[in-house]
Amino acid sequence: EDQVTQSPEALRLQEGESSSLNCSYTVSGLRGLFWYRQDPGKGPEFLFTLYSAGEEKEKERLKATLTKKESFLHITAPKPEDSATYLCAVQAGSNYQLIWGAGTKLIIKP
Amino acid sequence: DGGITQSPKYLFRKEGQNVTLSCEQNLNHDAMYWYRQDPGQGLRLIYYSQIVNDFQKGDIAEGYSVSREKKESFPLTVTSAQKNPTAFYLCASAFQDRNYGYTFGSGTRLTVV
Repeated sequence: EDQVTQSPEALRLQEGESSSLNCSYTVSGLRGLFWYRQDPGKGPEFLFTLYSAGEEKEKERLKATLTKKESFLHITAPKPEDSATYLCAVQAGSNYQLIWGAGTKLIIKP
Repeated sequence: DGGITQSPKYLFRKEGQNVTLSCEQNLNHDAMYWYRQDPGQGLRLIYYSQIVNDFQKGDIAEGYSVSREKKESFPLTVTSAQKNPTAFYLCASAFQDRNYGYTFGSGTRLTVV
């Protein structure tokens, strides 16, 4: 069964303390892996798409990487405004629907 | 600007009442989706539609109904058969048969009073 698992469930960091969020997946025929950011009471906002192992994408303090089994979202020197829930999803096989992880709630303390 | 609009932002439902959540997109997307999100949980798929006049049940369709009469619109009705409707509802759209991901609306928070 296709599955996406995110860890940790929650992560508390001090401002400036770099860390990584993990998204592991077991699917057949990965088409794409997607990272979204969700603020409380709002819809998810698209961050990155990764299509093949070894690919990397960057945006400000965020960098997403992809291997054949997992993706990491690296956060460098985070600021309080980076606090949000980060969602990971994959598209696989002949089905273009997204399979979602449960998310990681990131809290950055000033 | 193209986008996806959900309304209302907040909705209150009395016991035994049906309510309809609106979702409209002007992105020319083929596929549209309805998700439910409960506190601390991931997104759960309620219904989806890949073309006009056709839709499929997702993982938690019981107590919900949808229609897709126009490409731009995909309203969700929460019926009285849904026993625990209090949640945050998200609508999304995407190009069918392309791996570009989804665009989401801003959500509707439904509360039973």
